[in-house]
Amino acid sequence: AQTVTQSQPEMSVQEAETVTLSCTYDTSESDYYLFWYKQPPSRQMILVIRQEAYKQQNATENRFSVNFQKAAKSFSLKISDSQLGDAAMYFCAYRSGYGGATNKLIFGTGTLLAVQP
Amino acid sequence: NAGVTQTPKFQVLKTGQSMTLQCAQDMNHEYMSWYRQDPGMGLRLIHYSVGAGITDQGEVPNGYNVSRSTTEDFPLRLLSAAPSQTSVYFCASSWGGTVDGYTFGSGTRLTVV
Repeated sequence: AQTVTQSQPEMSVQEAETVTLSCTYDTSESDYYLFWYKQPPSRQMILVIRQEAYKQQNATENRFSVNFQKAAKSFSLKISDSQLGDAAMYFCAYRSGYGGATNKLIFGTGTLLAVQP
Repeated sequence: NAGVTQTPKFQVLKTGQSMTLQCAQDMNHEYMSWYRQDPGMGLRLIHYSVGAGITDQGEVPNGYNVSRSTTEDFPLRLLSAAPSQTSVYFCASSWGGTVDGYTFGSGTRLTVV
């Protein structure tokens, strides 16, 4: 079975600085997707960035980028120029690429990011 | 386009009571699922459905039932509420086997006293 591990329960960053959130996963599959979700105090789950396993190029969305190391099964999220609005719980998630019953989204336990003004 | 609609947003139940959490999506997604979120444990899958008439258990199914009579609706039933079911519940939907992320509802905070 696939697992997702986030080893940093809490992180803190100064406004305008850069922070990296760690995520590792375990799978025997070759086709899969990885995601980072943001959950602000409003509780809403917001998709931040996604990565297809077969793509070697790291995904980037504005100030958010990932470092995808497939062999090491690592998928870290880098937030550049941190803003107060980035303060939230961040979840790393895995999804099989084979569809059907394997389509489940498997989450890590989350990292709570605080942004200091 | 409403996305995924969850009701209610908040609920307090007494131990032993039953209730249904409603979930509806208007995106014609084939895949729908229910998660519960507890502090320090992330989101854990309760039940999921890969299409109308097809449901299966996730990681923590005990005490919950689901059905999927239409593509749009995927209600979650608590049969006899217990304090251990105090949690935040999320419904989510997606297309299957794609890089598209799930669309989540806004969540239901359930307290069982």
